[in-house]
Amino acid sequence: EAGVAQSPRYKIIEKRQSVAFWCNPISGHATLYWYQQILGQGPKLLIQFQNNGVVDDSQLPKDRFSAERLKGVDSTLKIQPAKLEDSAVYLCASSLGRGGGIYNEQFFGPGTRLTVL
Amino acid sequence: GDSVTQMEGPVTLSEEAFLTINCTYTATGYPSLFWYVQYPGEGLQLLLKATKADDKGSNKGFEATYRKETTSFHLEKGSVQVSDSAVYFCALSSPRMNTGFQKLVFGTGTRLLVSP
Repeated sequence: EAGVAQSPRYKIIEKRQSVAFWCNPISGHATLYWYQQILGQGPKLLIQFQNNGVVDDSQLPKDRFSAERLKGVDSTLKIQPAKLEDSAVYLCASSLGRGGGIYNEQFFGPGTRLTVL
Repeated sequence: GDSVTQMEGPVTLSEEAFLTINCTYTATGYPSLFWYVQYPGEGLQLLLKATKADDKGSNKGFEATYRKETTSFHLEKGSVQVSDSAVYFCALSSPRMNTGFQKLVFGTGTRLLVSP
C-alpha cells in the first residue's frame, strides 16, 4: 500500500515570495491533516479536512496561509507572502476515520522542508 | 489546553544500554497516548499506543505504560541498537468538544543517539 506522498521535499524561497505544497493521502483515507514542525519543536496542527470540508483551521494563520482539498483526495497548502518564521517542515498526514484513536491511526508523509531567506 | 512534556535531549547511549525517555501530559478527560518515531529524512511513524489507564503499549522492544495517577507515559527499551537513533515524540489524542474528531498534541521530541 502506498503511503502519504508529498512534494516537493525541499524548497528555498525569499521572504515575501509565495510557495505551495502538495499532498496525496493514502487511498480511501477521508481525513487529511497539515502540520507545521519548526526545528526543535513537535508538529503543530494547521488544518484538518474531512473529505473536502474543513474540520479545524483554528491554528492556521489565515492572513498568509491557505489550504484546499477540492475533490476530497489530494490537497495543497499555500503560503503567500512567506515570512522568515515560516521556515519549518510541513507534514501531511491522513487517517481512515476521525483520527487519533486506536482505530484511526494517522499516517504521515515525509514532509516538505521550507527555508525562507 | 492539552499539553505534553518530554525530557530534553539529546540522549546519548552506548549500544545495549537501557533507555528511558520521560513523558508527562496534561489533559481533560481520558486521552489516548502515543509514541511516534522520526528517523532521519523520514516522516513520523507510530511506534506504540495505549488508550486507557494501565494499558501497556509495546513494539520493536519498546514499551510504555499509561499511568493515570502520575499522568505519565514513559518510553523504555531494555537494550538499544544503533538503528534506534532517531527523534521520539510523545503525543496525546483527545476528542474535540463538539465534533468528536480527534486532535493529536505532540511533545517537543527527544533525540536519541546510540553509538556502537
